[in-house]
Amino acid sequence: EVQLVESGGGLVKPGGSLKLSCAASGFTFTTYGMNWVRQAPGKGLEWVSTISSSGKYIYYADSVKGRFTISRDNAENSLYLQMNNLRGEDTAVYYCARGYNWNYGPEDYWGQGTLVTVSS
Amino acid sequence: DILMTQSPSSLPASVGDTVTITCRASQSIDTYLNWYQQKPGKAPKFLIYAASRLQSGVPSRFSGSGSGTDFTLNISSLQPEDFATYYCQQSFGTPLTFGGGTKVEI
Repeated sequence: EVQLVESGGGLVKPGGSLKLSCAASGFTFTTYGMNWVRQAPGKGLEWVSTISSSGKYIYYADSVKGRFTISRDNAENSLYLQMNNLRGEDTAVYYCARGYNWNYGPEDYWGQGTLVTVSS
Repeated sequence: DILMTQSPSSLPASVGDTVTITCRASQSIDTYLNWYQQKPGKAPKFLIYAASRLQSGVPSRFSGSGSGTDFTLNISSLQPEDFATYYCQQSFGTPLTFGGGTKVEI
């Protein structure tokens, strides 16, 4: 069974940093691209970032480029999102999602999400 | 960026109805169109990829069609568990973009 478990969310002040983690199990992690997708309270889905299966290809939404860094540890079956210089508009539930293939594309399995609140 | 526009934003319906949700892309995306279902407080669920291919385990009352810029999601014989918000997404290129969502409600 595919499982994705996010952690690391919480309350942080504007300008602060936070690192999200996603522990993956139930599939061959090294075969799939991985994604972060967020959802602000009461709003729709927003794609944040994708990392290819090997980590060679990385993509970001313009809204987070230069502030967020996606990474993965294939030995530990883990995905990360380092978030720096956080803003109020980054407040959202952040979902870790498995890609349907090795690169960017649809997301076929999702974690339960972790809430990030940016507020003073 | 490719803009995805869904309509309607809200869709009143009853159990047993057949409903249609429309998604339009701001440029041609071939069939790189996916659909998700989300219930309140839950993660999205992957329904359809490549415009018309049903993800494993998704009931056959769900169907998708379209290519280029215009796409539809059809749900026939609506069941109580189908009342949710539906999102389209293009995966033609980055940034991946979602539609604004369609809430199917009683």
